[in-house]
Amino acid sequence: QSVLTQAPSASGTPGQRVTISCSGSSSNIGNNYVYWYQHFPGTAPKLLTYRNDQRPSGVPDRFSGSKSGTSASLAISGLRSEDEADYYCAVWDDSLSGWVFGGGTRLTVL
Amino acid sequence: EVQLLESGGGLVQPGGSLRLSCAASGFSFSSYAMSWVRQAPGKGLEWVSAIGGHDDGSTYYADSVKGRFTISRDNSKDTLYLQMNSLSAEDTAVYYCAGNGDFVQGYFDYWGQGTLVTVSS
Repeated sequence: QSVLTQAPSASGTPGQRVTISCSGSSSNIGNNYVYWYQHFPGTAPKLLTYRNDQRPSGVPDRFSGSKSGTSASLAISGLRSEDEADYYCAVWDDSLSGWVFGGGTRLTVL
Repeated sequence: EVQLLESGGGLVQPGGSLRLSCAASGFSFSSYAMSWVRQAPGKGLEWVSAIGGHDDGSTYYADSVKGRFTISRDNSKDTLYLQMNSLSAEDTAVYYCAGNGDFVQGYFDYWGQGTLVTVSS
């Protein structure tokens, strides 16, 4: 069971907006930056957002991150078929002195 | 161009050992904190271990591997290692090396393509 809680699945139709949530605690999300990754199994994960709500160059502005208290969210607007992937939140945990990942959310574009 | 190339994966029997390597190029490896992250079949990403950069040899381990795995680096060879001992089926996974920037608490900005470790008799 992951320290960070994510719903195992999410879905939407092309053009829709979907939100993926990540719930943690004061030792991780509550006190540190949240990062979101997109992952196609067998390939290298891709950074989508960093420091809660910043977007690396090259990542479409359809992807946006946010954080409030001990929870964080990744919103994807204008959903596209190529967005169908696994999405993970990641945070440094002060109590564990290590990184923790959410269990991952598999996004299906219907 | 940044490259991280993992090697050393393969089939190993339960209780056995394996050493993974990650050859880095295209960035200042010696100053970079580095991590290993794994993904078991059908499971999510799991951070395994991290080591500091800038001559900071501090090491960090997930509870699931503490006492069995050892992370190390050879800055003269731009290579990261993961020595894995007392392996069990639960260690079967694709192992990725990843760069953390200046500090181990920095996010994973560089990733390798992964190497598969299978623990089975």
